[in-house]
Amino acid sequence: DAMVIQNPRYQVTQFGKPVTLSCSQTLNHNVMYWYQQKSSQAPKLLFHYYDKDFNNEADTPDNFQSRRPNTSFCFLDIRSPGLGDAAMYLCATSREVAGGSVNTEAFFGQGTRLTVV
Amino acid sequence: SQQGEEDPQALSIQEGENATMNCSYKTSINNLQWYRQNSGRGLVHLILIRSNEREKHSGRLRVTLDTSKKSSSLLITASRAADTASYFCAEGNQFYFGTGTSLTVIP
Repeated sequence: DAMVIQNPRYQVTQFGKPVTLSCSQTLNHNVMYWYQQKSSQAPKLLFHYYDKDFNNEADTPDNFQSRRPNTSFCFLDIRSPGLGDAAMYLCATSREVAGGSVNTEAFFGQGTRLTVV
Repeated sequence: SQQGEEDPQALSIQEGENATMNCSYKTSINNLQWYRQNSGRGLVHLILIRSNEREKHSGRLRVTLDTSKKSSSLLITASRAADTASYFCAEGNQFYFGTGTSLTVIP
């Protein structure tokens, strides 16, 4: 049973045209993450939510935005995609325990591969 | 930079041999986790070791942790062709991933 679902699996967008990637989860986890992964590299954290609290990584470009309308859904918006934004985008969830000091394992979706033309 | 480092970057072994990967992390941790990623797919959690643990086993996996050196190792015993994948360590509640080791197991 899919627990973290990313749609679409493959997305082609035009240079400069806004694009939105979506992620949904059935785990009821309070923490959701977005990662960017380029070819042969490690996933790089862009931002994450603790419930509705948004946490942006210092080096995440302003071109990347996110929305989390409810527990189950999270969106990644790329306002003006450039060629350098072509990558796999991974969504993940985890459950915060122990008053925020420890998170359980992360569950990942299958990713959305973004191509910019 | 978020990333810790892993070595080797790439490892190629024969089926049945053991594979060892090492991870150096940056922060003070509550736990350290290892993940596996098949080509073009999402990551799958393998094992978690807490900061007060030194060694942990799960099936053919053995993980060690040395908090004084901020390092961890993952040992896969009796490797199989299906173990071919990239392996990443992850630190912190934000799951910052190391650079990864690409493992190829030759049948």
